[in-house]
Amino acid sequence: AQKITQTQPGMFVQEKEAVTLDCTYDTSDQSYGLFWYKQPSSGEMIFLIYQGSYDEQNATEGRYSLNFQKARKSANLVISASQLGDSAMYFCAMREPDTGANSKLTFGKGITLSVRP
Amino acid sequence: DTGVSQNPRHKITKRGQNVTFRCDPISEHNRLYWYRQTLGQGPEFLTYFQNEAQLEKSRLLSDRFSAERPKGSFSTLEIQRTEQGDSAMYLCASTTAGGAGGYTFGSGTRLTVV
Repeated sequence: AQKITQTQPGMFVQEKEAVTLDCTYDTSDQSYGLFWYKQPSSGEMIFLIYQGSYDEQNATEGRYSLNFQKARKSANLVISASQLGDSAMYFCAMREPDTGANSKLTFGKGITLSVRP
Repeated sequence: DTGVSQNPRHKITKRGQNVTFRCDPISEHNRLYWYRQTLGQGPEFLTYFQNEAQLEKSRLLSDRFSAERPKGSFSTLEIQRTEQGDSAMYLCASTTAGGAGGYTFGSGTRLTVV
């Protein structure tokens, strides 16, 4: 089974509207971390937001928030007030365990977001 | 903090040639990672270092691939006898051990094997 699943086709959103990008994950670890990254056409991976498995509150960073539903094993990214510069690929990733010697990230396949003016 | 620097940005090479990429991490970050990203896919883990020690290598890292991090600072990734299937973006990232925050990625080296 894939550890990170991102199945949405290309997403479109109108400028200034909110959009939700879906991510589900699979792990047997109790300790894990979930990340979202943005990759514009330039190729650089830009860190957006992090959620630890023991965090009780959903993470927020400016216009980004993470809708963490532990029982459903989902970690959806919500972007509020979309901007044209938000057009990019978005990747969900997991680190398991969240601390310790083995701390590589496992990425999903990504979702393309296009913001329409 | 000047970010993670990768050189070169682009590399075109003929099949069978050797190539070497360099990554300069953020100076205070002791963990350094290499990932490979093919078109339309997410990055796949290749290997990582804590200081100068290479702690894990993916099965994706065939015998033709070797990575080093002498003195625990910059790192190099070498691919010997390149094949067309090696064409990809090679990303480097760094972080501090056990950090709860994100990993800082470089802009990558795009390799094209012709």
